[in-house]
Amino acid sequence: NAGVTQTPKFQVLKTGQSMTLQCAQDMNHNSMYWYRQDPGMGLRLIYYSASEGTTDKGEVPNGYNVSRLNKREFSLRLESAAPSQTSVYFCASSVISGGGYGYTFGSGTRLTVV
Amino acid sequence: QQQVKQSPQSLIVQKGGISIINCAYENTAFDYFPWYQQFPGKGPALLIAIRPDVSEKKEGRFTISFNKSAKQFSLHIMDSQPGDSATYFCAASREGSARQLTFGSGTQLTVLP
Repeated sequence: NAGVTQTPKFQVLKTGQSMTLQCAQDMNHNSMYWYRQDPGMGLRLIYYSASEGTTDKGEVPNGYNVSRLNKREFSLRLESAAPSQTSVYFCASSVISGGGYGYTFGSGTRLTVV
Repeated sequence: QQQVKQSPQSLIVQKGGISIINCAYENTAFDYFPWYQQFPGKGPALLIAIRPDVSEKKEGRFTISFNKSAKQFSLHIMDSQPGDSATYFCAASREGSARQLTFGSGTQLTVLP
């Protein structure tokens, strides 16, 4: 099925542990994004990649790193997890053409840091 | 600084009623305003979007009303159905290489049967 695939779907980490969230899209989209979703705060942009080979910080980048491995894949790494990073993480991709565009989101990774 | 403010936080509507969700933005450079629908355990999905050169856009039972001078826009769901029960997010973006979206805080809509 075409779309955005995120792995894993669930993860529990201990404080200080590291992990990488994986994201892949098969729609040939140029831009990819990582958001976190917390109750009452909507979705906040962590990092984004406008095109293969480029990455930029979003609104809440502290404590995270990203890698745009190729056009399809965009990973998010937590080097030393903290309880404040407990959240649901969404990867998205988009294509910008003409006057319109839209994001396609993955189904999310629910991360708990204890 | 919250650039897109959304209200109400939660909304309960009877089946067949009209659901109205409001958003206000601060950045006048925003030029694209989508609404996303999210069901539990799923990622958000694009519902409808509008650009500021029109004041209203309708797709089926869903309508966006846009007031550029007031920097406000709203989602109207006509004939609301229990299947519309979900969380709705407004968002905004401006010209840029990646068109990053800035989201509102979300509205949890419950439509009673």
